[in-house]
Amino acid sequence: ETGVTQTPRHLVMGMTNKKSLKCEQHLGHNAMYWYKQSAKKPLELMFVYNFKEQTENNSVPSRFSPECPNSSHLFLHLHTLQPEDSALYLCASSQGQNSPLHFGNGTRLTVT
Amino acid sequence: GESVGLHLPTLSVQEGDNSIINCAYSNSASDYFIWYKQESGKGPQFIIDIRSNMDKRQGQRVTVLLNKTVKHLSLQIAATQPGDSAVYFCAESLNDYKLSFGAGTTVTVRA
Repeated sequence: ETGVTQTPRHLVMGMTNKKSLKCEQHLGHNAMYWYKQSAKKPLELMFVYNFKEQTENNSVPSRFSPECPNSSHLFLHLHTLQPEDSALYLCASSQGQNSPLHFGNGTRLTVT
Repeated sequence: GESVGLHLPTLSVQEGDNSIINCAYSNSASDYFIWYKQESGKGPQFIIDIRSNMDKRQGQRVTVLLNKTVKHLSLQIAATQPGDSAVYFCAESLNDYKLSFGAGTTVTVRA
């Protein structure tokens, strides 16, 4: 149990589908993150939320739409994805700046 | 076993030996550094961190060394065990929420 729970663990979707990834943290942290992990590439930061406010959008295409209704929950809404979007999507949380991120086990997304 | 130079993607180490994983970071102004371990099918797991006002920090069987002069970070694992087989990532940040990750080193422990 990592304290950060992601669902689903695996997702296969077509390019015309709409789906959502869910993340919940049970650590009382105030910041939440989405990272993308592709094979043979470093983890890429996508979005940062601090106290429910988005503080970072790392030039992510609009087909990825984050939502943070409260400090414990984070969603990533997906629509009209491309096959190159297939990757492991990791959610993380932290207590503040310059503190360790705690990661969930990710959602393995395959776009067909 | 030791990965030398800027970065080696793989490291093979004999069980019981000490491991050294190296990382070169990019931003001389970075003030926070962290090591993660990622096992197959899991998310990255925090190992140890260090701030720029320190050059060494020790944990349980692990030591992180920071050399700001050459922008180099290393992770030493004492008495490497089979459970240490994983991908290890270093990361840096500059007093903000954004952690920038390195490419990762795959450590394989030989019995």
